[in-house]
Amino acid sequence: EAGVVQSPRYKIIEKKQPVAFWCNPISGHNTLYWYRQNLGQGPELLIRYENEEAVDDSQLPKDRFSAERLKGVDSTLKIQPAELGDSAVYLCASGTDRGPRQYFGPGTRLTVT
Amino acid sequence: AQTVTQSQPEMSVQEAETVTLSCTYDTSESDYYLFWYKQPPSRQMILVIRQEAYKQQNATENRFSVNFQKAAKSFSLKISDSQLGDAAMYFCAYCSNTGKLIFGQGTTLQVKP
Repeated sequence: EAGVVQSPRYKIIEKKQPVAFWCNPISGHNTLYWYRQNLGQGPELLIRYENEEAVDDSQLPKDRFSAERLKGVDSTLKIQPAELGDSAVYLCASGTDRGPRQYFGPGTRLTVT
Repeated sequence: AQTVTQSQPEMSVQEAETVTLSCTYDTSESDYYLFWYKQPPSRQMILVIRQEAYKQQNATENRFSVNFQKAAKSFSLKISDSQLGDAAMYFCAYCSNTGKLIFGQGTTLQVKP
C-alpha cells in the first residue's frame, strides 16, 4: 500500500513569492490534514478536510494561505505571498472516518529567504 | 482548549536499557485517544502506540508500552531494550472525537551504543 505522497520535498523561495505544496493521500482515505511544523516543535493543524469539505480551517491564516481538495482526493496548499516566518515543514496526513489514526507524509521543507 | 505538555526536551539512554518519556495533557472531555509518534531525522512521522481513554488496560506494542493514568492526565511511554534505531524525536498527541490531533513539544531521544 502506497503511503501519503507529498511534493516537493524541499522548496526555497524569496519572500513575497508564491508557493504551492501538493499532497496525495492513501487510496480510500476520506480525511486529509495539513499541518505546519516549526523547527523543534510539534506539528500544528492548519486545515482538515472530510472528502472535499474543509471542516476545520480555524487555524489557517486566510490572508495568505489557501487550500483546496478537488474531487476529495489530492490536495494543494498555497501561500501567497510567503513571509520569512513561513519557513517550516508542511506535513500532510490522511485517515478514515472509521478511526482516529492519521498517516503522515514525508513533508515539504520550506525555506523563505 | 486541550493542551499537551512534554517536559523533557531531551533524553538519553544506553543501548539495551529502558527509558521512559513523560507526557501530561489537559482536557475536559471524557472520550479521546492518545498517541505516541516517532519522527526520525527524515521527518516521516510514524505511529508508535495508541491508547483509547475508555480502556483501563495500558497499551503495549512489542518493546513499547504506556502508563496511562486518566485521573492524573498522564501518558508516559516506556521503551524497553532500547535500540540505536529508536533514536528520534517522540511526540505525544491528543485526539478528540473531532479528529483533531494536538501535539506536545516533543522529546529528542538519544541512544548511546
